[in-house]
Amino acid sequence: EVQLVQSGPEVKKPGESLMISCKASGYSFTSYWINWVRQTPGKGLEWMGRINPRDSQTNYSPSFQGHVTISADRSVNTVYLQWSGLRASDTAMYFCARHNWFDPWGQGTLVTVSP
Amino acid sequence: EIVLTQSPATLSLSPGETATLSCRASQSVSNNLAWYQQKPGQAPRLLIYGAYIRATGIPARFSGSGSGTEFTLTISSLQSEDLAVYYCQQYNNWPPWTFGQGTKVEIK
Repeated sequence: EVQLVQSGPEVKKPGESLMISCKASGYSFTSYWINWVRQTPGKGLEWMGRINPRDSQTNYSPSFQGHVTISADRSVNTVYLQWSGLRASDTAMYFCARHNWFDPWGQGTLVTVSP
Repeated sequence: EIVLTQSPATLSLSPGETATLSCRASQSVSNNLAWYQQKPGQAPRLLIYGAYIRATGIPARFSGSGSGTEFTLTISSLQSEDLAVYYCQQYNNWPPWTFGQGTKVEIK
């Protein structure tokens, strides 16, 4: 079964760093791009960026470029989403999803940023 | 950036009826459009890709149509389990890939 399993919920303060993960199983990890998607009540679903696990090439949405970093570790079939300075506005549910049409999705990681 | 506009915002129908959801793109996305279903408290699930190709395991009562800028998701014989928000997404022009704002389907 193709699966993406994400790390658990996080509570952080503004300015802190954070890395969340997405572990893939059930398929060849290097064969498909992995995307990150943000969901908030106000802005719905937003595509943040993607990575090709084969060579770690990344593409970012202009809205997120420079604020987040996407990386991959082929040795553990895992993709990461990282912030170096969280803001309250980063409070959201974050999903990883495979390929251009997103299938499957991870279960989501809730990130809460509050003083 | 391609803007996807979904209508209506909310659709309230009875079991057995047919739901027709629309997604309009601000410029052509060819057939590179997907539909997702998101039930309360769950991650989205792929229903349709390539505008009309059903994903694995999706019942035949879900169908997609359209190309270019106008797309439709049709749910026939609506069931109570179809209560969800439905999103369209284009993967033709990036950055970025974009989503519609969603249509909420309510079951009377």
